[in-house]
Amino acid sequence: EVQLVESGGGLVQPGGSLRLSCTASGFIFSNYEMNWVRQAPGKGLEWLSYITSSGGSIKYGASVKGRVTVSRDNARNSLYLQVNSLRAEDTAVYYCAREIPNCINDCLDLWGQGTLVTVSS
Amino acid sequence: QSALTQPPSASGSPGQSVTISCTGTSSDVGGYNPVSWYQQHPGKAPKLMIYEVSKRPSGVPDRFSGSQSGNTASLTVSGLQAEDEADYYCSSHGGSNNFYVFGTGTRVTVV
Repeated sequence: EVQLVESGGGLVQPGGSLRLSCTASGFIFSNYEMNWVRQAPGKGLEWLSYITSSGGSIKYGASVKGRVTVSRDNARNSLYLQVNSLRAEDTAVYYCAREIPNCINDCLDLWGQGTLVTVSS
Repeated sequence: QSALTQPPSASGSPGQSVTISCTGTSSDVGGYNPVSWYQQHPGKAPKLMIYEVSKRPSGVPDRFSGSQSGNTASLTVSGLQAEDEADYYCSSHGGSNNFYVFGTGTRVTVV
């Protein structure tokens, strides 16, 4: 089955860190550009990060730049997001999403189920 | 880069059509950047409905169509069905500050 499965979410104290993982299966992960998107409770979607298929080019959203690091391990079919200096406003469901190859702009055709990160003392 | 602007809500009766707008600036939607549209049901992950302005991924009904002109893109859902009731988000290239940017979201209600 073609799918993405996120993990690593949970309850973390303000100022803490978390490493989220996204494991791909059913397709050739190394062929795809990948993204992280989050959604705070009751709010809209917020794009966070983009990484090319090789990991050679990376982009971050302005709201998280400097606090997050995206990486991937194509041998393990895995995508990662390291989030540091967590704040209450980082509380959200974090999704990983795959891009359609050669698509102009975001064409996120496959999403994981999301992992919930709650920042609270 | 601010989120793209969408109306908070839209509604229609079964069988009718509803159109959702997505307004940006010359840095994003208006800068020859094709828009994508996503559907999200409560508690579910978003689903790609339209990409590159008007293309539909496999499995998306042709009741969903997209268009774009200037700083505004639109999603039209024709022949509304109960399962179309969901939140819809547009997205595009976000200019210098954000590689991608999403719209504020529109809740479509089938009345």
